[in-house]
Amino acid sequence: EVQLVESGGGLVQPGGSLRLSCAASGFTFSSYWMHWVRQAPGKGLVWVSRINRDGSDTKYADSVKGRFTISRDNAKNTLYLQMNSLRAEDTAVYYCARDAGSSCHDWGQGTLVTVSS
Amino acid sequence: QSALTQPASVSGSPGQSITISCTGTSSDVGSYNLVSWYQQHPGKAPKLMIYEVSKRPSGLSNRFSGSKSGNTASLTISGLQAEDEADYYCCSYAGSGTFLFGGGTKLTVL
Repeated sequence: EVQLVESGGGLVQPGGSLRLSCAASGFTFSSYWMHWVRQAPGKGLVWVSRINRDGSDTKYADSVKGRFTISRDNAKNTLYLQMNSLRAEDTAVYYCARDAGSSCHDWGQGTLVTVSS
Repeated sequence: QSALTQPASVSGSPGQSITISCTGTSSDVGSYNLVSWYQQHPGKAPKLMIYEVSKRPSGLSNRFSGSKSGNTASLTISGLQAEDEADYYCCSYAGSGTFLFGGGTKLTVL
């Protein structure tokens, strides 16, 4: 059974940093591209970032480009999202997802990031 | 990177069929057969319902189907059931390794 478990969310002040983790199990992590998707409270889903199998290729939404960095450790079966220069509008539940057929095939339960002073 | 356009809400009675549209541009929906659809119940993580425009994940009910014409993709749910009441989101590959979600549609089963 595919399992994705996000962690690392919490309350952070504007301008601060946070690193999210996504622990994967139940599949060969190194064989799949991975995504981060976020959802602000009461709002819709927004694609954030994607990384290829070996971490050599990363893409970002314009809203986070230059501030967020996606990475992975295939030896630890873990996906990361380093978030810097956080803004109030980054407040959201952050989901990691496994890619299949250029879709988010499996999702974690999400971790809440709140940016507030 | 503007979100794909979905109706804010749709409704239907049990047993009926409904269709949710998802309109993009020639740079995303119109250029790639990489549209996916997600169901999200309140407080839950999204669930993949359709990928590559019309393919269903293993084990998913065939009451859910997808299609595309030009810049608009559609999700059809037939034989509507109470448990189908949820938010639905479309997503399309938008080129250069990026993706776009729609704004979401709230489905109400009357």
